[in-house]
Amino acid sequence: EAGVTQFPSHSVIEKGQTVTLRCDPISGHDNLYWYRRVMGKEIKFLLHFVKESKQDESGMPNNRFLAERTGGTYSTLKVQPAELEDSGVYFCASSRRNYGYTFGSGTRLTVV
Amino acid sequence: AQSVTQLDSQVPVFEEAPVELRCNYSSSVSVYLFWYVQYPNQGLQLLLKYLSGSTLVKGINGFEAEFNKSQTSFHLRKPSVHISDTAEYFCAVSDEGSNYKLTFGKGTLLTVNP
Repeated sequence: EAGVTQFPSHSVIEKGQTVTLRCDPISGHDNLYWYRRVMGKEIKFLLHFVKESKQDESGMPNNRFLAERTGGTYSTLKVQPAELEDSGVYFCASSRRNYGYTFGSGTRLTVV
Repeated sequence: AQSVTQLDSQVPVFEEAPVELRCNYSSSVSVYLFWYVQYPNQGLQLLLKYLSGSTLVKGINGFEAEFNKSQTSFHLRKPSVHISDTAEYFCAVSDEGSNYKLTFGKGTLLTVNP
């Protein structure tokens, strides 16, 4: 089966601009997660979708971040407006059952 | 609240030497434990996991880890490493109350030298 696909793989934007990250989960995986690793720090949970519903968004840092999952398929994570501290690697993961995570390769976001 | 401590940020070893990457956790409830590996320019790949049962868990690529509840540890070991094991390794913890989200350590960069 195809893996979890994230794009773009890299994005460099200026402070104040908007960026949208996309994640295509493995087909049939109802659970979709977003995580983020800021440089030098731990990978941290952002949010969890079950199908199209947000199950847990306790890790979202602030209201500049908006996540959606259209029709329970792919998901987008929009940052608007981007700030310097948003730089990092954003990982998406999906699972059919809990703990059967498959991670994508990540999107490296650099805000300058 | 859960937390994970990976005691070594970098571990350099020679090829064919044994290696242990240390991981300690704190949690007030029963936990599930994981080790992930990230090779350069790739995503996170599950090495092994402990959910229940035997405390010695075997994973892919010859790695194993032992869950020690009294010491709240889940150290990762391999008896003989290869150059291709060079990567960053992450320990993670979860529990039923956290809705299956993972709490990660800061990672350990394993560098295997010839």
